[in-house]
Amino acid sequence: NAGVTQTPKFQVLKTGQSMTLQCAQDMNHNSMYWYRQDPGMGLRLIYYSASEGTTDKGEVPNGYNVSRLNKREFSLRLESAAPSQTSVYFCASRRREKLFFGSGTQLSVL
Amino acid sequence: QKEVEQDPGPLSVPEGAIVSLNCTYSNSAFQYFMWYRQYSRKGPELLMYTYSSGNKEDGRFTAQVDKSSKYISLFIRDSQPSDSATYLCAMSDAGTYKYIFGTGTRLKVLA
Repeated sequence: NAGVTQTPKFQVLKTGQSMTLQCAQDMNHNSMYWYRQDPGMGLRLIYYSASEGTTDKGEVPNGYNVSRLNKREFSLRLESAAPSQTSVYFCASRRREKLFFGSGTQLSVL
Repeated sequence: QKEVEQDPGPLSVPEGAIVSLNCTYSNSAFQYFMWYRQYSRKGPELLMYTYSSGNKEDGRFTAQVDKSSKYISLFIRDSQPSDSATYLCAMSDAGTYKYIFGTGTRLKVLA
């Protein structure tokens, strides 16, 4: 009964480093999302994938890339991390109008 | 002006109180309205879901949508310390599936 699984849970990067946040869901959902959550800003959509092989930009896509290689997995990549990308990142999958979230990745960029 | 406005709180109430949480929005195209509950250091979990206007009840929770006023509410009856969390409203229009979230209201229920 895993639902949406995100790895890692915590990460500290130096400015300019790159990393990939992993997300996998076992609910056979077509749509998947990446959000970031910052104090006072709520959840903001970074990227969205309607199905395997398709992606679409959200509200705050700059500095990020995504990859949806198969139905289960949707990864988020930071090519050159910046302090402004310090945040909590959530992956979600959707069934009809309902989103199911992972437990998040807390990322700090120094 | 943000598309969705939500009072951040914090809101502190005694155990057993009725809690009212609210969001206003500006986009009249929104059709789907949701409330998520988020415990500290956890992902949001869906609490209530409503399509278009009206009320929906689930145990101690009632969701209301007033599309004419662009206003949604979540009521919690007989609040419990376990209800202490951040409550996020979310909404979307039909077809885009891009959900807009409020900033969340922190609720603390005191035993």
